[in-house]
Amino acid sequence: RKEVEQDPGPFNVPEGATVAFNCTYSNSASQSFFWYRQDCRKEPKLLMSVYSSGNEDGRFTAQLNRASQYISLLIRDSKLSDSATYLCVVRQLGTDKLIFGTGTRLQVFP
Amino acid sequence: DAGVIQSPRHEVTEMGQEVTLRCKPISGHDYLFWYRQTMMRGLELLIYFNNNVPIDDSGMPEDRFSAKMPNASFSTLKIQPSEPRDSAVYFCASSLVSGAAGKQPQHFGDGTRLSIL
Repeated sequence: RKEVEQDPGPFNVPEGATVAFNCTYSNSASQSFFWYRQDCRKEPKLLMSVYSSGNEDGRFTAQLNRASQYISLLIRDSKLSDSATYLCVVRQLGTDKLIFGTGTRLQVFP
Repeated sequence: DAGVIQSPRHEVTEMGQEVTLRCKPISGHDYLFWYRQTMMRGLELLIYFNNNVPIDDSGMPEDRFSAKMPNASFSTLKIQPSEPRDSAVYFCASSLVSGAAGKQPQHFGDGTRLSIL
């Protein structure tokens, strides 16, 4: 079983739609959580950290459920420019290693 | 500000040849990470350094792979001899000290697209 699992997608949604991605992690000792975004043939970039109480950054909302070991990302009012692969990332307690999921691809169409 | 700089951007070589990938981290960053990305396996951590010292190389596939960080501003990843299955995108990333919360983001370079024929 992979340490971080994501639905690969693709999720094809129209502009203005709301879309949600989930991610599950297997190691209960995981301490920090992030969403990274990767555009086609580009490097991953940090989108947002995920805090225990949930957090919002504009149209993006991230939530963490430690009991069920899953993380979610909600994107409201999708834009064409949101088309990318979204990587769920986990860091384990006591290490500096980040474990990346294989990503969920989002395609927003006009 | 200059980001993480990797070279070369693309490399195509024949199997059996030595390949050297280079990385210059962001000035002042304490951590440097080498990743490999393929369609099948996603982004995998190969090795990481803290203050130029290798901390965890458990992700290095086999003895054909080696990495060094002779100083704070330069690191290399070598593959010798190279094989077709090494074809992938290799990313270097750097970050500031993680700190207790571990919230420091990793900044990635543009990657090296490696093709072994």
